[in-house]
Amino acid sequence: KAGVTQTPRYLIKTRGQQVTLSCSPISGHRSVSWYQQTPGQGLQFLFEYFSETQRNKGNFPGRFSGRQFSNSRSEMNVSTLELGDSALYLCASSLLQQGYEQYFGPGTRLTVT
Amino acid sequence: AQRVTQPEKLLSVFKGAPVELKCNYSYSGSPELFWYVQYSRQRLQLLLRHISRESIKGFTADLNKGETSFHLKKPFAQEEDSAMYYCALRVQGAQKLVFGQGTRLTINP
Repeated sequence: KAGVTQTPRYLIKTRGQQVTLSCSPISGHRSVSWYQQTPGQGLQFLFEYFSETQRNKGNFPGRFSGRQFSNSRSEMNVSTLELGDSALYLCASSLLQQGYEQYFGPGTRLTVT
Repeated sequence: AQRVTQPEKLLSVFKGAPVELKCNYSYSGSPELFWYVQYSRQRLQLLLRHISRESIKGFTADLNKGETSFHLKKPFAQEEDSAMYYCALRVQGAQKLVFGQGTRLTINP
């Protein structure tokens, strides 16, 4: 099976712009989670989707949002970008919502200038 | 609140020496703990989970609820063990993982 894929892999944006990142889970997986990874804060949970519904949300401002489509693909959006949003954004998928191993994608490296 | 602490940012040992990566957690519920590993230029991947109680690549980890610890151990380190290791806790009833800051393990020849 193909692994979790994320597009684009690299992105450079300017402060104030918005960005959309995409994640395609492993075929058959219905749960998708997003994480932000920075040198200072490490890996932090953003949100989790299952069957097109957000199940959990991390402690991030409302500028961070996401959604999941009927084919389980997920997108996350960050509006009004700030310099501090520069990070590696990781997506992970799992078969179902609870108790299943999460498989991580390679990440999207976002740089805000 | 949930918290995972990995006290060592960097750990360097010689090949053939024992390795122990420390992990402590704080969680009011019943914890489910994991070790993830990231090799150079590879994606984050699961190394082992406490409920399976298995040894992967010679690594083991035991959950000690009294000391709220989940240390990762290997009796004889190999050069290919050099990587970034993350301890993580899964919140009950969700797929949310709370990660420690990670420990970069370097195995010297």
